[in-house]
Amino acid sequence: GNSVTQMEGPVTLSEEAFLTINCTYTATGYPSLFWYVQYPGEGLQLLLKATKADDKGSNKGFEATYRKETTSFHLEKGSVQVSDSAVYFCALSDTGANSKLTFGKGITLSVRP
Amino acid sequence: GAVVSQHPSRVICKSGTSVKIECRSLDFQATTMFWYRQFPKQSLMLMATSNEGSKATYEQGVEKDKFLINHASLTLSTLTVTSAHPEDSSFYICSARGHGESSYEQYFGPGTRLTVT
Repeated sequence: GNSVTQMEGPVTLSEEAFLTINCTYTATGYPSLFWYVQYPGEGLQLLLKATKADDKGSNKGFEATYRKETTSFHLEKGSVQVSDSAVYFCALSDTGANSKLTFGKGITLSVRP
Repeated sequence: GAVVSQHPSRVICKSGTSVKIECRSLDFQATTMFWYRQFPKQSLMLMATSNEGSKATYEQGVEKDKFLINHASLTLSTLTVTSAHPEDSSFYICSARGHGESSYEQYFGPGTRLTVT
């Protein structure tokens, strides 16, 4: 079956530091890949997505590239802000009419001033 | 953007009682709603998918008689945990999707923390 593996957390960084959150996946076929973010007290929000190999998703300064050869979708940001403090989930979706999301465990990011 | 609310945000109940959690789409019609469960430091696990006006489809290993899901309208789905036990304590999250949207275009509620004593 499908699975998503995220690096262990939590992660604590100083403001303006470089961020990398690793994500690898196992899936049959050609899944779509996503990063969701959950800010304190709120529901999950779609941060970015990539639907085919070598696609790069980007939003709010975050980027992730769909690497089929390494089955990875690592999230990066060049300079984090305190407002980026949240829980980040990597996820995949298979294709088809009844497609579902499979999530990683999530990782908590704390950015200190 | 689309907003999904959940009520209550936290609930404590005694073992053997039932508790109902509501999930509402506030500004769109949700033809499909999803219920997830999240254990500490674990990923979200899909419990069931419900389409408005029809029976929910449960994932393997989820007891349909214990977790009753009703999706009676295009803006409301409920999850009832019947005869709750301490092992049912968890964080329950719902999401909603409008007609014709892709699987990832789900709008998530903020979750409900259930504690069974």
